[in-house]
Amino acid sequence: DVKVTQSSRYLVKRTGEKVFLECVQDMDHENMFWYRQDPGLGLRLIYFSYDVKMKEKGDIPEGYSVSREKKERFSLILESASTNQTSMYLCASSLIRTTNQPQHFGDGTRLSIL
Amino acid sequence: AQKITQTQPGMFVQEKEAVTLDCTYDTSDPSYGLFWYKQPSSGEMIFLIYQGSYDQQNATEGRYSLNFQKARKSANLVISASQLGDSAMYFCAMREGRANAGKSTFGDGTTLTVKP
Repeated sequence: DVKVTQSSRYLVKRTGEKVFLECVQDMDHENMFWYRQDPGLGLRLIYFSYDVKMKEKGDIPEGYSVSREKKERFSLILESASTNQTSMYLCASSLIRTTNQPQHFGDGTRLSIL
Repeated sequence: AQKITQTQPGMFVQEKEAVTLDCTYDTSDPSYGLFWYKQPSSGEMIFLIYQGSYDQQNATEGRYSLNFQKARKSANLVISASQLGDSAMYFCAMREGRANAGKSTFGDGTTLTVKP
């Protein structure tokens, strides 16, 4: 079974802090993704990566950055956290080459910025 | 234009009855995949079922089936014999062949409540 592990289920941080959300997958997937989920807005893609050190902006990259130094690990960084970044964050991974592969998700991190 | 449209924000169904969750999509790519995911209140996203654009038959996985109407660009999820544990949010998603990086587009979701 594919396992995608997010470092925290719940996280509380303060405005202005630098926040790191970590995600690790164990199935050698090329693709990794970070989404943000808010009520009524579905899943919005923040950033994705299709290879080590490669990254591309998604739909809402402002205020976020990412790091992928190793294939299995994809980190989301909130450079200076703000209250409007309070949200559920989901990490996912998938194989790159075919359209029939689903994304595999972590359990999510509920982040509160005070 | 939205690529994935789920028109039902919320649905109710009686336990043991069948329910259909709607999904329409928009793409010009002849090669694509359609997925349904379930998200319980605990938050994890669970992959349920997949339908490929070239598949001749509707996909089935246990109590889940996909009513795939290619000409209408719809991929509705049918859950038979609903159970209380089916109460969750359901997302339809599409992965297009041109998007080699494997991005998927998600709908806004439908919240299903199963009544005892």
